[in-house]
Amino acid sequence: DVKVTQSSRYLVKRTGEKVFLECVQDMDHENMFWYRQDPGLGLRLIYFSYDVKMKEKGDIPEGYSVSREKKERFSLILESASTNQTSMYLCASTPSGTARYEQYFGPGTRLTVT
Amino acid sequence: AQSVTQLDSQVPVFEEAPVELRCNYSSSVSVYLFWYVQYPNQGLQLLLKYLSGSTLVESINGFEAEFNKSQTSFHLRKPSVHISDTAEYFCAVSRPNSGYALNFGKGTSLLVTP
Repeated sequence: DVKVTQSSRYLVKRTGEKVFLECVQDMDHENMFWYRQDPGLGLRLIYFSYDVKMKEKGDIPEGYSVSREKKERFSLILESASTNQTSMYLCASTPSGTARYEQYFGPGTRLTVT
Repeated sequence: AQSVTQLDSQVPVFEEAPVELRCNYSSSVSVYLFWYVQYPNQGLQLLLKYLSGSTLVESINGFEAEFNKSQTSFHLRKPSVHISDTAEYFCAVSRPNSGYALNFGKGTSLLVTP
């Protein structure tokens, strides 16, 4: 089974801190994604990556950056955390080729910024 | 651009009753449609998907969805629900121009009561 893991289930940070959210997948998937989930808004795409060192902005990239130095790891960085970044963050991955449509999600990190 | 609209934010239903969760999509290209489920305090799990072929797709736990191109819909149905079906359900459409990321609806909360 594909496994996508995220470094923390719960995280509490202070306003202005630099925050790193880590995501690791174990199935050699090329594509990786970061979403944030908010009540009543569903999931929204922050960034995605289709290869090592490659990244593309999603719909709401402001205030975030990403890093993909290794194929299995995709990090989301909050340069200076703000209270409006309190949310659930979900990482996902997919392979390339014919199976690329199905996304595998990690358990999520619930981030609270105080 | 591909998008989905979930028409109901909450659906309360009694155990063993039938249920329909509605989803409409908009897309100018071929669509790939998904239903994901999120049980309380858990990550997203794929429930079923439509990529091509038969317009009726089924999940292993009794849910089904029908792709209706003329009505641009992908409604989720179950003839008899269980308490354990209580969860948040998300309809999603694939975004070919964004690495096959997903555009999600805002979610429908299904609450099954005895």
